[in-house]
Amino acid sequence: SNSVKQTGQITVSEGASVTMNCTYTSTGYPTLFWYVEYPSKPLQLLQRETMENSKNFGGGNIKDKNSPIVKYSVQVSDSAVYYCLLRCGNQFYFGTGTSLTVIP
Amino acid sequence: NAGVTQTPKFRVLKTGQSMTLLCAQDMNHEYMYWYRQDPGMGLRLIHYSVGEGTTAKGEVPDGYNVSRLKKQNFLLGLESAAPSQTSVYFCASSYDPGGYTFGSGTRLTVV
Repeated sequence: SNSVKQTGQITVSEGASVTMNCTYTSTGYPTLFWYVEYPSKPLQLLQRETMENSKNFGGGNIKDKNSPIVKYSVQVSDSAVYYCLLRCGNQFYFGTGTSLTVIP
Repeated sequence: NAGVTQTPKFRVLKTGQSMTLLCAQDMNHEYMYWYRQDPGMGLRLIHYSVGEGTTAKGEVPDGYNVSRLKKQNFLLGLESAAPSQTSVYFCASSYDPGGYTFGSGTRLTVV
């Protein structure tokens, strides 16, 4: 089956680098998306990654693979909820989101 | 450049009342979606549409109905609202599956 897991909360100081994990299990050839939700604003697409080489991993079956997003030198304005979305064919699976808090 | 517009932005309903949420997009996207967002649950797909005149069930379709009579509009209906439907509802559209443009959300409270 397909699933997506994300770390719940991360708090860092301004200027730090932060890695937000997205661990997924997929039975197909997935595409992974990252979205960000700033307070009181709609979701925005951050990046899209197509796993074209996923056939090299168990014939299309992937278990607990991590595809993180890294942000360098974060600012207070980067505080938001970051969502990972897994697409397998016409099926979509959202992670529960990682709440990033950047403190001055 | 409107993108995806949701109306209304806020609504309070009494248990048993009905209402319709409207989603409109001006990007000529084929795919449209309705999600609900609840604390700790992330986004969950309610219904989606792959083109005008088509609808399909998502992960949590019970208690909701949808219609896509026109390509640019995707309506989400609650026939008899329940407190469990208190949530923030997001509409999204995409040219191909996954590359979403989201609306700003509708905050619905059922009392």
